[in-house]
Amino acid sequence: DAGITQSPRHKVTETGTPVTLRCHQTENHRYMYWYRQDPGHGLRLIHYSYGVKDTDKGEVSDGYSVSRSKTEDFLLTLESATSSQTSVYFCAITDPGLARGNEQFFGPGTRLTVL
Amino acid sequence: QKEVEQNSGPLSVPEGAIASLNCTYSDRVSQSFFWYRQYSGKSPELIMSIYSNGDKEDGRFTAQLNKASQYVSLLIRDSQPSDSATYLCAVAGGTSYGKLTFGQGTILTVHP
Repeated sequence: DAGITQSPRHKVTETGTPVTLRCHQTENHRYMYWYRQDPGHGLRLIHYSYGVKDTDKGEVSDGYSVSRSKTEDFLLTLESATSSQTSVYFCAITDPGLARGNEQFFGPGTRLTVL
Repeated sequence: QKEVEQNSGPLSVPEGAIASLNCTYSDRVSQSFFWYRQYSGKSPELIMSIYSNGDKEDGRFTAQLNKASQYVSLLIRDSQPSDSATYLCAVAGGTSYGKLTFGQGTILTVHP
């Protein structure tokens, strides 16, 4: 599992509340990613990080922010949760030293429900 | 907008048959291609990666890449009920950081 954990694994929250999801890795991988997965859409990239304090937007970044203050943690924040953000969220990592660099390995996921 | 399209499913094959999963991509500069398997309620698991034109075999799995046709496929020989899952095609471009674009997935069912 490439040493990736996500917390919480399940969360139910109400519209308008802030939510933070955590991705934690134990093997000092440089690149980390947040995806969401919805029926009919596959996996879509939200934000990614290429190092501590280095982050950038993916294709569906509106309504989300991220932070990476330590190599091992990549946080995803929903600033004001909406029902459209009900989804399964996956964290992934890659590292040039792990494989050919582009191979990504996924955490177990967080199922988020916004009521 | 980079697009990755997979053949619509679900795909149902009998045990022991060959399952063929197909994927096309729109970005001609794509360099890396991956197949992930995802069981229901679980996270995607990398099963094959391919970077050069031609075939790559790993056990019962064969990935085929044709960059000229912008086409990548996955063949599963001697399909087993345990192969029943959603198969995701993913493509990475020529830029850094390995950002992946995923297809919508194909559900495969192998029936005894």
